[in-house]
Amino acid sequence: QKEVEQNSGPLSVPEGAIASLNCTYSDRVSQSFFWYRQYSGKSPELIMSIYSNGDKEDGRFTAQLNKASQYVSLLIRDSQPSDSATYLCAVYGNKLVFGAGTILRVKS
Amino acid sequence: EAQVTQNPRYLITVTGKKLTVTCSQNMNHEYMSWYRQDPGLGLRQIYYSMNVEVTDKGDVPEGYKVSRKEKRNFPLILESPSPNQTSLYFCASSPILAGGYTFGSGTRLTVV
Repeated sequence: QKEVEQNSGPLSVPEGAIASLNCTYSDRVSQSFFWYRQYSGKSPELIMSIYSNGDKEDGRFTAQLNKASQYVSLLIRDSQPSDSATYLCAVYGNKLVFGAGTILRVKS
Repeated sequence: EAQVTQNPRYLITVTGKKLTVTCSQNMNHEYMSWYRQDPGLGLRQIYYSMNVEVTDKGDVPEGYKVSRKEKRNFPLILESPSPNQTSLYFCASSPILAGGYTFGSGTRLTVV
């Protein structure tokens, strides 16, 4: 079992819809959770961090964490074509581990 | 501007020829790390450093060396590169151990 698992996608959503990206992790003592956005050929960019159970909102982005289920998600409201990218989930337990990423395509 | 600077951006080299990829950050971050990114495998940590003169192996350290003589710099050294080290490399830094990293622009290395 991979330490951090994401569906590779691609996840296709129409412009203006909500995109839902999911991530599960195996280390129960994980304490910090991050979402990165990576455009093709570019470096990962940190867009959200979450440390406690519940929701955290930042503009059109909402991160959701459920430690009991070992599950973290990212919702993107009002998706735009510029949101098309690979989204990486990263989890810190005793080290930072990245998932392989989910490709998101927003169709105009 | 707060940033992590890597050089070079692109590098083609031959097997066995020693090379160094430089990394510098201007944010006074304690933690620095090197990752390689390969299709289907995601980002894998090569080495990390928690402070000056403190470095440790990540998940894929074989064939690589690092040093941290100054807080801002964390070079990656390939003493005898091989074709299986062809990859996209990222340097990253963070202010705290469990914090999110800021990544450099990446170095695309090809070893022939």
